[in-house]
Amino acid sequence: EDQVTQSPEALRLQEGESSSLNCSYTVSGLRGLFWYRQDPGKGPEFLFTLYSAGEEKEKERLKATLTKKESFLHITAPKPEDSATYLCAVQANSGYALNFGKGTSLLVTP
Amino acid sequence: ETGVTQTPRHLVMGMTNKKSLKCEQHLGHNAMYWYKQSAKKPLELMFVYSLEERVENNSVPSRFSPECPNSSHLFLHLHTLQPEDSALYLCASSQYLSRSGSSYEQYFGPGTRLTVT
Repeated sequence: EDQVTQSPEALRLQEGESSSLNCSYTVSGLRGLFWYRQDPGKGPEFLFTLYSAGEEKEKERLKATLTKKESFLHITAPKPEDSATYLCAVQANSGYALNFGKGTSLLVTP
Repeated sequence: ETGVTQTPRHLVMGMTNKKSLKCEQHLGHNAMYWYKQSAKKPLELMFVYSLEERVENNSVPSRFSPECPNSSHLFLHLHTLQPEDSALYLCASSQYLSRSGSSYEQYFGPGTRLTVT
């Protein structure tokens, strides 16, 4: 059965303090791994799709990487506006559903 | 309007009421989804539609009834709900339904916060 585990559950950073969020997954053939950002009371906002091990994608202060077992979302010099819940999801070759993790709640303080 | 819109944004209903959630996508996509998001739990896929045809029903109770009259609109009809159905209901769309060899990101609406009393 496909499984997605995100860690830590919650993370508090000072503004400018870089860190990484982890998404570990087990899936019967990975078709894609997705990162989303969700602000309170809003729907998830698409950030990245990664397809194969070794792939990296960047957007502003965010960089997503992928290995055969996990993905990292690196946040460089975060700002308070980066505070949100970050969700990871995988899609298996065998289906079209996205299997989501529980998310990491990030708080960046000034 | 742009992206994916949902109405109403908030809904409070009694256990004997009947109500409907509406979703509209302005992206020209062909696949639409309903998800349920409960506190401390991952998003749960409820229904999937591709070109107005339902392709997945993830063991959802019959008190939830989806309808997709065209590729831009999706409804979720609710009746005789239970308090445990209180959650954020999210609609999403993708360009196509991902099948073998292809993957399409899903774009979400803002959700309807449902409270069942």
